[in-house]
Amino acid sequence: EAQVTQNPRYLITVTGKKLTVTCSQNMNHEYMSWYRQDPGLGLRQIYYSMNVEVTDKGDVPEGYKVSRKEKRNFPLILESPSPNQTSLYFCASSSRSGTSGSALYEQYFGPGTRLTVT
Amino acid sequence: AQSVTQLGSHVSVSEGALVLLRCNYSSSVPPYLFWYVQYPNQGLQLLLKYTSAATLVKGINGFEAEFKKSETSFHLTKPSAHMSDAAEYFCAVSVGLSQFYFGTGTSLTVIP
Repeated sequence: EAQVTQNPRYLITVTGKKLTVTCSQNMNHEYMSWYRQDPGLGLRQIYYSMNVEVTDKGDVPEGYKVSRKEKRNFPLILESPSPNQTSLYFCASSSRSGTSGSALYEQYFGPGTRLTVT
Repeated sequence: AQSVTQLGSHVSVSEGALVLLRCNYSSSVPPYLFWYVQYPNQGLQLLLKYTSAATLVKGINGFEAEFKKSETSFHLTKPSAHMSDAAEYFCAVSVGLSQFYFGTGTSLTVIP
Protein backbone atom coordinates (compact mmCIF):
# COMPACT_ATOMS: atom_id res chain seq x y z
CA GLU A 1 0.00 0.00 0.00
CA ALA A 2 1.28 3.43 -1.00
CA GLN A 3 1.70 5.54 2.08
CA VAL A 4 3.57 8.11 4.10
CA THR A 5 4.34 7.01 7.65
CA GLN A 6 5.35 9.13 10.61
CA ASN A 7 6.66 8.13 13.99
CA PRO A 8 5.87 8.71 16.72
CA ARG A 9 2.23 9.68 16.35
CA TYR A 10 2.15 11.32 19.77
CA LEU A 11 5.04 12.74 21.77
CA ILE A 12 5.24 14.65 25.01
CA THR A 13 8.65 16.02 25.88
CA VAL A 14 10.35 18.72 27.92
CA THR A 15 12.04 21.92 26.84
CA GLY A 16 15.52 21.41 25.49
CA LYS A 17 15.45 17.65 25.01
CA LYS A 18 16.42 16.84 21.44
CA LEU A 19 13.93 14.81 19.45
CA THR A 20 13.47 13.41 15.97
CA VAL A 21 10.23 12.72 14.14
CA THR A 22 10.70 10.24 11.35
CA CYS A 23 8.94 10.29 7.99
CA SER A 24 9.10 7.60 5.37
CA GLN A 25 7.37 7.12 2.02
CA ASN A 26 7.22 4.03 -0.19
CA MET A 27 6.20 5.72 -3.45
CA ASN A 28 9.68 6.65 -4.70
CA HIS A 29 8.73 10.32 -4.57
CA GLU A 30 11.39 12.94 -5.19
CA TYR A 31 9.76 15.70 -3.20
CA MET A 32 9.12 15.65 0.56
CA SER A 33 8.00 18.35 2.93
CA TRP A 34 7.23 19.07 6.57
CA TYR A 35 4.36 21.21 7.83
CA ARG A 36 3.05 22.28 11.17
CA GLN A 37 -0.64 22.83 11.77
CA ASP A 38 -1.84 25.25 14.41
CA PRO A 39 -5.41 26.39 15.16
CA GLY A 40 -6.37 29.42 13.14
CA LEU A 41 -3.14 29.34 11.14
CA GLY A 42 -3.70 26.37 8.84
CA LEU A 43 -0.63 24.50 7.63
CA ARG A 44 2.70 26.23 7.36
CA GLN A 45 5.64 24.76 5.53
CA ILE A 46 8.75 24.17 7.64
CA TYR A 47 11.23 22.59 5.23
CA TYR A 48 11.09 20.81 1.93
CA SER A 49 13.36 18.61 -0.12
CA MET A 50 13.44 18.34 -3.88
CA ASN A 51 15.58 15.19 -3.83
CA VAL A 52 18.33 13.41 -1.90
CA GLU A 53 20.74 15.87 -0.28
CA VAL A 54 18.65 18.84 -1.49
CA THR A 55 16.72 20.67 1.21
CA ASP A 56 15.45 24.21 1.62
CA LYS A 57 13.59 26.37 4.12
CA GLY A 58 9.88 26.91 4.03
CA ASP A 59 8.00 29.65 5.80
CA VAL A 60 8.75 28.70 9.44
CA PRO A 61 12.13 26.90 9.62
CA GLU A 62 13.43 28.42 12.87
CA GLY A 63 14.16 25.78 15.50
CA TYR A 64 14.02 22.85 13.06
CA LYS A 65 16.49 20.83 11.06
CA VAL A 66 16.01 18.21 8.39
CA SER A 67 18.12 15.81 6.40
CA ARG A 68 17.56 13.81 3.23
CA LYS A 69 20.18 11.10 3.01
CA GLU A 70 17.85 8.58 1.40
CA LYS A 71 15.02 9.15 -1.01
CA ARG A 72 12.39 7.50 1.16
CA ASN A 73 13.22 9.18 4.50
CA PHE A 74 12.95 12.81 5.63
CA PRO A 75 13.35 13.17 9.40
CA LEU A 76 12.48 16.35 11.26
CA ILE A 77 14.88 17.24 14.06
CA LEU A 78 14.23 19.59 16.96
CA GLU A 79 17.61 20.20 18.58
CA SER A 80 16.25 22.13 21.54
CA PRO A 81 12.45 22.04 21.57
CA SER A 82 10.52 24.90 23.12
CA PRO A 83 6.85 25.17 24.12
CA ASN A 84 6.05 27.27 21.03
CA GLN A 85 6.84 24.20 18.95
CA THR A 86 3.88 22.37 20.45
CA SER A 87 1.88 21.58 17.35
CA LEU A 88 0.57 18.96 14.95
CA TYR A 89 3.19 18.03 12.38
CA PHE A 90 2.60 16.54 8.94
CA CYS A 91 5.02 15.06 6.51
CA ALA A 92 4.10 14.95 2.82
CA SER A 93 5.60 13.57 -0.35
CA SER A 94 4.90 13.98 -4.02
CA SER A 95 6.15 13.36 -7.50
CA ARG A 96 5.62 15.21 -10.72
CA SER A 97 2.37 14.89 -12.54
CA GLY A 98 0.89 16.74 -15.47
CA THR A 99 1.89 17.22 -19.09
CA SER A 100 5.36 17.75 -20.41
CA GLY A 101 6.64 21.21 -19.58
CA SER A 102 4.69 21.50 -16.39
CA ALA A 103 5.35 20.14 -12.99
CA LEU A 104 2.38 19.82 -10.70
CA TYR A 105 3.01 18.28 -7.34
CA GLU A 106 0.11 16.40 -5.80
CA GLN A 107 1.05 15.82 -2.20
CA TYR A 108 0.34 12.74 -0.11
CA PHE A 109 0.21 13.37 3.61
CA GLY A 110 1.19 11.25 6.57
CA PRO A 111 -1.19 10.77 9.52
CA GLY A 112 0.43 13.46 11.65
CA THR A 113 2.51 13.67 14.82
CA ARG A 114 1.09 15.53 17.78
CA LEU A 115 3.96 17.07 19.73
CA THR A 116 3.66 18.67 23.15
CA VAL A 117 6.65 20.46 24.65
CA THR A 118 6.33 21.36 28.33
CA ALA B 1 4.24 36.76 -2.33
CA GLN B 2 1.53 34.16 -2.50
CA SER B 3 -1.32 33.88 -0.06
CA VAL B 4 -4.59 32.08 0.36
CA THR B 5 -7.66 33.41 2.12
CA GLN B 6 -10.53 31.22 3.17
CA LEU B 7 -13.58 33.23 4.15
CA GLY B 8 -15.42 31.74 7.08
CA SER B 9 -13.58 29.53 9.53
CA HIS B 10 -16.83 27.71 10.32
CA VAL B 11 -19.66 26.89 7.93
CA SER B 12 -22.85 25.04 8.84
CA VAL B 13 -25.28 23.61 6.32
CA SER B 14 -28.27 21.33 6.54
CA GLU B 15 -28.07 17.86 5.14
CA GLY B 16 -29.05 18.02 1.48
CA ALA B 17 -28.27 21.73 1.14
CA LEU B 18 -25.67 23.35 -1.07
CA VAL B 19 -22.13 23.49 0.26
CA LEU B 20 -20.08 26.57 -0.67
CA LEU B 21 -16.61 27.08 0.77
CA ARG B 22 -14.79 30.17 -0.35
CA CYS B 23 -11.15 30.54 -1.32
CA ASN B 24 -9.33 33.53 -2.76
CA TYR B 25 -5.70 33.60 -3.64
CA SER B 26 -3.07 36.12 -4.51
CA SER B 27 -0.29 35.18 -6.84
CA SER B 28 2.02 37.02 -9.15
CA VAL B 29 2.05 34.15 -11.62
CA PRO B 30 -0.57 31.61 -12.68
CA PRO B 31 -1.02 29.31 -9.73
CA TYR B 32 -1.78 25.69 -9.20
CA LEU B 33 -4.72 25.39 -6.82
CA PHE B 34 -5.85 22.57 -4.58
CA TRP B 35 -8.57 21.68 -2.12
CA TYR B 36 -7.79 19.21 0.64
CA VAL B 37 -10.07 17.65 3.23
CA GLN B 38 -9.04 16.63 6.73
CA TYR B 39 -11.19 14.28 8.79
CA PRO B 40 -10.71 14.19 12.56
CA ASN B 41 -7.37 12.74 13.62
CA GLN B 42 -6.30 12.13 10.06
CA GLY B 43 -3.94 13.63 7.53
CA LEU B 44 -5.00 15.67 4.54
CA GLN B 45 -6.59 14.09 1.49
CA LEU B 46 -6.68 15.70 -1.92
CA LEU B 47 -10.19 16.58 -3.08
CA LEU B 48 -9.35 18.24 -6.37
CA LYS B 49 -6.75 20.32 -8.15
CA TYR B 50 -6.68 23.02 -10.81
CA THR B 51 -4.18 22.33 -13.57
CA SER B 52 -5.03 25.17 -15.98
CA ALA B 53 -6.76 22.77 -18.35
CA ALA B 54 -10.39 23.43 -17.44
CA THR B 55 -11.75 26.14 -15.17
CA LEU B 56 -14.38 23.84 -13.66
CA VAL B 57 -12.70 21.04 -11.80
CA LYS B 58 -14.47 17.95 -10.53
CA GLY B 59 -13.14 16.09 -7.55
CA ILE B 60 -13.99 13.18 -5.34
CA ASN B 61 -17.15 12.75 -3.26
CA GLY B 62 -19.20 15.01 -5.55
CA PHE B 63 -17.19 18.18 -4.93
CA GLU B 64 -16.19 20.62 -7.62
CA ALA B 65 -14.47 23.98 -7.81
CA GLU B 66 -14.38 26.74 -10.37
CA PHE B 67 -11.29 28.78 -11.12
CA LYS B 68 -12.13 32.42 -11.79
CA LYS B 69 -9.06 34.38 -12.72
CA SER B 70 -10.83 37.75 -12.75
CA GLU B 71 -11.94 37.21 -9.17
CA THR B 72 -8.80 35.29 -8.07
CA SER B 73 -11.12 32.73 -6.57
CA PHE B 74 -11.35 28.96 -6.38
CA HIS B 75 -14.52 28.26 -4.42
CA LEU B 76 -15.49 24.69 -3.52
CA THR B 77 -19.06 23.52 -3.97
CA LYS B 78 -21.21 20.44 -3.59
CA PRO B 79 -24.88 20.44 -4.59
CA SER B 80 -26.14 18.35 -1.69
CA ALA B 81 -24.36 18.00 1.65
CA HIS B 82 -24.04 14.63 3.32
CA MET B 83 -23.32 13.96 6.96
CA SER B 84 -20.02 12.36 5.97
CA ASP B 85 -18.87 15.70 4.51
CA ALA B 86 -18.32 17.13 7.99
CA ALA B 87 -14.59 17.86 8.13
CA GLU B 88 -11.99 20.59 7.84
CA TYR B 89 -11.31 21.88 4.34
CA PHE B 90 -8.14 23.58 3.20
CA CYS B 91 -7.46 25.54 0.06
CA ALA B 92 -3.84 25.63 -1.09
CA VAL B 93 -1.80 27.32 -3.79
CA SER B 94 1.45 26.20 -5.30
CA VAL B 95 3.61 28.47 -7.37
CA GLY B 96 6.59 26.89 -8.99
CA LEU B 97 7.82 23.51 -7.98
CA SER B 98 8.34 23.46 -4.31
CA GLN B 99 6.43 25.77 -2.00
CA PHE B 100 2.84 25.37 -0.96
CA TYR B 101 0.70 27.90 0.85
CA PHE B 102 -2.39 26.79 2.71
CA GLY B 103 -5.39 28.74 3.87
CA THR B 104 -6.39 28.70 7.51
CA GLY B 105 -9.11 26.14 6.91
CA THR B 106 -12.90 26.00 7.04
CA SER B 107 -14.65 23.63 9.38
CA LEU B 108 -17.83 22.27 7.80
CA THR B 109 -20.67 21.12 10.02
CA VAL B 110 -23.60 19.26 8.49
CA ILE B 111 -26.84 19.49 10.43
CA PRO B 112 -29.21 16.53 10.14
